Amino acid sequence: AQKITQTQPGMFVQEKEAVTLDCTYDTSDPSYGLFWYKQPSSGEMIFLIYQGSYDQQNATEGRYSLNFQKARKSANLVISASQLGDSAMYFCAMREGGKGGADGLTFGKGTHLIIQP
Amino acid sequence: NAGVTQTPKFQVLKTGQSMTLQCAQDMNHEYMSWYRQDPGMGLRLIHYSVGAGITDQGEVPNGYNVSRSTTEDFPLRLLSAAPSQTSVYFCASRTGASNEKLFFGSGTQLSVL
Repeated sequence: AQKITQTQPGMFVQEKEAVTLDCTYDTSDPSYGLFWYKQPSSGEMIFLIYQGSYDQQNATEGRYSLNFQKARKSANLVISASQLGDSAMYFCAMREGGKGGADGLTFGKGTHLIIQP
Repeated sequence: NAGVTQTPKFQVLKTGQSMTLQCAQDMNHEYMSWYRQDPGMGLRLIHYSVGAGITDQGEVPNGYNVSRSTTEDFPLRLLSAAPSQTSVYFCASRTGASNEKLFFGSGTQLSVL
């Protein structure tokens, strides 16, 4: 079974609209962390936001927020007021707490977001 | 402020050739790792290291070797390249804390003919 599922292979959104990118995860570990990364066409991986499993509040970083619904095992990324520069691949990833999280991140397959003017 | 430096950026190999992808970080990070990215697959962990002298396998380790003789360097060796190893390779590092983000290098695009 996939540990990270991103069900939207591609999305087209009008500039200035809000965007929600879906991510569901699967783990039995009570301690885990969820990450979102952006990969523009230039190829680099850019960290956006982090949510820990024990965090009481949803994480926010500027225009990015994470809608964390623990019971549903959902960690959707919300981008407010989208901009043309937000066009990119977006990856959801999880680190499970066992072995101090040393095993690395498990990534979803990504969502290709295109912002239209 | 170099961060994570990967070389080369591009490489073309013939089947059966060997090569080493270099990775260096200047942030004194304990944890380093290698991922490969294939179309439609996201990133998959190849090998990782939690400190000098300590390495372990990730999800897709076959055909790759690593070593960690210093904190700064974590090279990835392809012993006998195969077309299935055509991919984009990313090196990454972070501190030991499990809630810390990964810092990624800029990637190496490898083609095996």
